Amino acid sequence: AQTVTQSQPEMSVQEAETVTLSCTYDTSESDYYLFWYKQPPSRQMILVIRQEAYKQQNATENRFSVNFQKAAKSFSLKISDSQLGDAAMYFCAYRLTGTASKLTFGTGTRLQVTL
Amino acid sequence: GAVVSQHPSWVICKSGTSVKIECRSLDFQATTMFWYRQFPKQSLMLMATSNEGSKATYEQGVEKDKFLINHASLTLSTLTVTSAHPEDSSFYICSARDPGPYEQYFGPGTRLTVT
Repeated sequence: AQTVTQSQPEMSVQEAETVTLSCTYDTSESDYYLFWYKQPPSRQMILVIRQEAYKQQNATENRFSVNFQKAAKSFSLKISDSQLGDAAMYFCAYRLTGTASKLTFGTGTRLQVTL
Repeated sequence: GAVVSQHPSWVICKSGTSVKIECRSLDFQATTMFWYRQFPKQSLMLMATSNEGSKATYEQGVEKDKFLINHASLTLSTLTVTSAHPEDSSFYICSARDPGPYEQYFGPGTRLTVT
């Protein structure tokens, strides 16, 4: 079974600084997707970024970028120029390709942003 | 982007009663919808996968007679918590899968409190 591990329960970053959230996963498959979701205090799940495993290039969305290391099964999220609105729970997730596949979530990392 | 709504956003019910939560995809047709449960400060736990026109597939350990799921149309899935007890109090989140790129969009969640 696939598992997703987030080893940092909490992280803190100063406004305008950069922070990296870690995620590792375990799978025997070669074709899959990886995601980072943000859950702010409103608890609405928001997709931050997605990475297709077959792509070597790391995904980037504005201030958010990932470091995808397929061989190491590592998928970290880098937030640049952190803003107060970035404070939230961040969940790493994995899903196989295909219509019947399900998301497997990590345990989450709570990010605090300080002034 | 695609929008998924949930209703109600918060419900309080008495122990022994049943409560229904609706999940709607507002601007796309979702052949597959998912129901999650989230305890405070924890990750999302998948309860079941519902496919339009067929029976839901429940995850191990989830009581299908207690958590009734119906996916009667391509835009509506419902979760009914039958004979609710205080331990059923939780945050319930639905998500719907876009049949095209298979993106998964999340509803805002429903907070259930059983007294």
